[in-house]
Amino acid sequence: EVQVLESGGNLVHPGGSLRLSCAVSGFTSTIRAMNWVRQAPGEGLEWVSGINFVNGKSNYADSVKGRFTVSRDSSKNTLYLQMNNLRVEDTALYYCVGEVAGWDFDSWGRGTLVIVSS
Amino acid sequence: QAGLTQPPSVSKALRQTATLTCTGNSNNVGNLGAAWLQQHPGHPPKILSYRDGHRPSGISERFSASKSGNTASLTITGLQPEDEADYYCSAWDDSLSARIFGGGTKLTVL
Repeated sequence: EVQVLESGGNLVHPGGSLRLSCAVSGFTSTIRAMNWVRQAPGEGLEWVSGINFVNGKSNYADSVKGRFTVSRDSSKNTLYLQMNNLRVEDTALYYCVGEVAGWDFDSWGRGTLVIVSS
Repeated sequence: QAGLTQPPSVSKALRQTATLTCTGNSNNVGNLGAAWLQQHPGHPPKILSYRDGHRPSGISERFSASKSGNTASLTITGLQPEDEADYYCSAWDDSLSARIFGGGTKLTVL
């Protein structure tokens, strides 16, 4: 089993930057990929970005491409999401999500809240 | 990015059967299938079924997933009050090189 714990959410002005962290523990050697998924208040789920641990490739949703960067520090078992040029529409609860037993979102954290407002 | 299509709401009576649908295209659902997630208010989503229809350990046999063409389905039998939740499907889209979600279906158990 894998546990994930997000941190770094905060209130930030439009155009500002923020870095989210996701600490991963448990059977980390079994992880196939890690992702960031967000949920705006009262809305559905939106995939933001992910890293494939098998081939090292990262992908992004069109809505964040060029502004967000996902990275990992294997030595610290930590995933990051660097968010630049934040917009009001980036306001959401950001979940860190692992793909462990299969190539689907099966290990969820409780999320960290990002509010972009002037 | 275009998402998968789910009906916004479904209502069924207690102990009845509900079938939730998720429609995509040949680049996503039709290619690799879709996973299903359940989310109760104030909680993170929980996976109910992987894209191949496999249920994680601990998930009730009342939940079963299937696929026909470009449409994935989640069937919930013997509806219980605790099944009232939001249900999402997710898939990998080959043409977008991205993960996509359906808009979610709110299931009400009457």
